[in-house]
Amino acid sequence: GAGVSQSPRYKVAKRGQDVALRCDPISGHVSLFWYQQALGQGPEFLTYFQNEAQLDKSGLPSDRFFAERPEGSVSTLKIQRTQQEDSAVYLCASSWTTGIGYTFGSGTRLTVV
Amino acid sequence: AQSVTQLGSHVSVSEGALVLLRCNYSSSVPPYLFWYVQYPNQGLQLLLKYTTGATLVKGINGFEAEFKKSETSFHLTKPSAHMSDAAEYFCAVSEGGTASKLTFGTGTRLQVTL
Repeated sequence: GAGVSQSPRYKVAKRGQDVALRCDPISGHVSLFWYQQALGQGPEFLTYFQNEAQLDKSGLPSDRFFAERPEGSVSTLKIQRTQQEDSAVYLCASSWTTGIGYTFGSGTRLTVV
Repeated sequence: AQSVTQLGSHVSVSEGALVLLRCNYSSSVPPYLFWYVQYPNQGLQLLLKYTTGATLVKGINGFEAEFKKSETSFHLTKPSAHMSDAAEYFCAVSEGGTASKLTFGTGTRLQVTL
């Protein structure tokens, strides 16, 4: 596609509910990143994929967070047993190669109530 | 480890005035540096980037930034602010190469007044 597409744009979850956030990167982009942006803060790295391989998951805050990219294109970020501190905007970014700038999606705003 | 410090969480300028948003970084290797802009309820849009070569980098919408290694700075400037420049601006650093994540500053909100 023309840009990075994320869905849903907004998600309200009850505490304890599982959620799945989707990212459709630009076609052919090898690298895919997930970032978490809390209110009033800069984005923080969560995890990185090169094609289908998850090469870095050091930013995932807990084992409740899980990401996958099984066919090297679409990626899903799953959060189990959501908690209020998970409320944030989740941004996906993709690029041909890393280190030279990425294209970001518009994000999914997750609110846990 | 790398980090970014953006001085001033809020900056207010008059329309037509100079815009200066400050960014200092730390990195153990030669850095790649970026400025992104974020409008309300939108993702991040790349304004400009420095990787190697010329230290004065020109970006979109009339913005430019200068990489100063001795000062570990990458300040963003625009000679004349426009109302449409009002947004949140983020400075970011990466180590470049493969598997290179971005480390962002906390952002500077630019307000442009008449």
